[in-house]
Amino acid sequence: DTGVSQDPRHKITKRGQNVTFRCDPISEHNRLYWYRQTLGQGPEFLTYFQNEAQLEKSRLLSDRFSAERPKGSFSTLEIQRTEQGDSAMYLCASSRQGGNQPQHFGDGTRLSIL
Amino acid sequence: EDQVTQSPEALRLQEGESSSLNCSYTVSGLRGLFWYRQDPGKGPEFLFTLYSAGEEKEKERLKATLTKKESFLHITAPKPEDSATYLCAVHSGGAQKLVFGQGTRLTINP
Repeated sequence: DTGVSQDPRHKITKRGQNVTFRCDPISEHNRLYWYRQTLGQGPEFLTYFQNEAQLEKSRLLSDRFSAERPKGSFSTLEIQRTEQGDSAMYLCASSRQGGNQPQHFGDGTRLSIL
Repeated sequence: EDQVTQSPEALRLQEGESSSLNCSYTVSGLRGLFWYRQDPGKGPEFLFTLYSAGEEKEKERLKATLTKKESFLHITAPKPEDSATYLCAVHSGGAQKLVFGQGTRLTINP
C-alpha cells in the first residue's frame, strides 16, 4: 500500500474564496472518509463514500461544503465562501469494505483563512 | 449520542517510566474501539482495534485493553520516540464514522 495521499498539504486563502482539496485513497479501498481536526481536538467526521456513493454526511457539513468521488477513486472536498472558522486540518481516510476495517489516514491539508 | 473522553489531556514521563492512558466511552452498540498515534503535522496512524470486553492487543511497548466502559493504552518502559498524541475512537451502530476523543499528548523525556 502506498498510503493515502492528500493535496495540497497547506492552503492559505482569503476569507470568501473557494478552495478545493484532493484525496487519493489506498488502491482497492472502496470506502473513503473526510474528517476535520482543529488544534488540540480529535478529528470530527464530515462525510463518507462507498465507491462513488456519498452515504453519510455530518450536520457539521454546511451547504458551503461539497464532496465528490467520481468513478469511486479519488475524492475532492470543496469549501465555498470560506470563513475564519473553516481554518483547520482536513483529513482524508480510506478503508476496505466489511467488518470493522481500520481507517487509514493521510497527512491532511492544513487550511488557513486570512 | 456517542461520546469519547480521554484522560489525561497531557502526560510527561521519564524514559523507562511506565504508565497508562484512559479512554472512556458511551456508545449505543460498540462495534469496535480504535487506537491511533498522531505525530505533529501528520495524520493519525492506526495502532489497534478492540472488539469486545476482555480483549487485549500488543505492539512493541504498547498494550491496549478493553472493558465495557473504557479502554486503556498501557505503555511499558517508554522511549522518547513514543512521544506523540494518542487518539481513541469508537465505531458504533450502523454508521461508518469514527467518533474520536480529544487525545492524550504524551511526552517522554530522555
